[in-house]
Amino acid sequence: NAGVMQNPRHLVRRRGQEARLRCSPMKGHSHVYWYRQLPEEGLKFMVYLQKENIIDESGMPKERFSAEFPKEGPSILRIQQVVRGDSAAYFCASSRDSFYEQYFGPGTRLTVT
Amino acid sequence: AQSVTQLDSHVSVSEGTPVLLRCNYSSSYSPSLFWYVQHPNKGLQLLLKYTSAATLVKGINGFEAEFKKSETSFHLTKPSAHMSDAAEYFCVVRLFTGGGNKLTFGTGTQLKVEL
Repeated sequence: NAGVMQNPRHLVRRRGQEARLRCSPMKGHSHVYWYRQLPEEGLKFMVYLQKENIIDESGMPKERFSAEFPKEGPSILRIQQVVRGDSAAYFCASSRDSFYEQYFGPGTRLTVT
Repeated sequence: AQSVTQLDSHVSVSEGTPVLLRCNYSSSYSPSLFWYVQHPNKGLQLLLKYTSAATLVKGINGFEAEFKKSETSFHLTKPSAHMSDAAEYFCVVRLFTGGGNKLTFGTGTQLKVEL
């Protein structure tokens, strides 16, 4: 039973480019969460999605960031026009429903040069 | 609002000695609390969880934590540290909101284990 999968594991982008981070939840899980970990900090909640719906995006920056979880395929976190401050580890977690614990993927480490 | 405070950013112990990582929580109602561990450049692994059942919770790798409502604490302990325990540990509180749940992380405690 594969765990939460994220790809790519490492992503390098130049300032102004777009970054697309993918997350495939565990089998049977339909709830996906995205968190960001800045250097030397804990994880901060960004967004919570169910299939085709954004449930809570209170942690998402107002501009340049978007997330989706389509009916088919992985969840995507998209960052447009990246800046150096976007350099961080982005973790995805999934759960079976809203009351079960979250299982984390290995993260995508984004470096903006 | 719910939050957790990890009282030590760094803890150093000798191999074979006890480990104590401290966490205090703030919550307006009975919280769900977790400890996660993160090894360098790896993802997060759930060590243990408290969800209003037994106050002493046993986790993986010999770790345990005790929920103390009177002290609003959820400290993580292990009787004897091993070199492989060196990692970053996060105390986490779960907030139920909008039909779902999101996790609020503490700032982390870096555990160093010396020979």
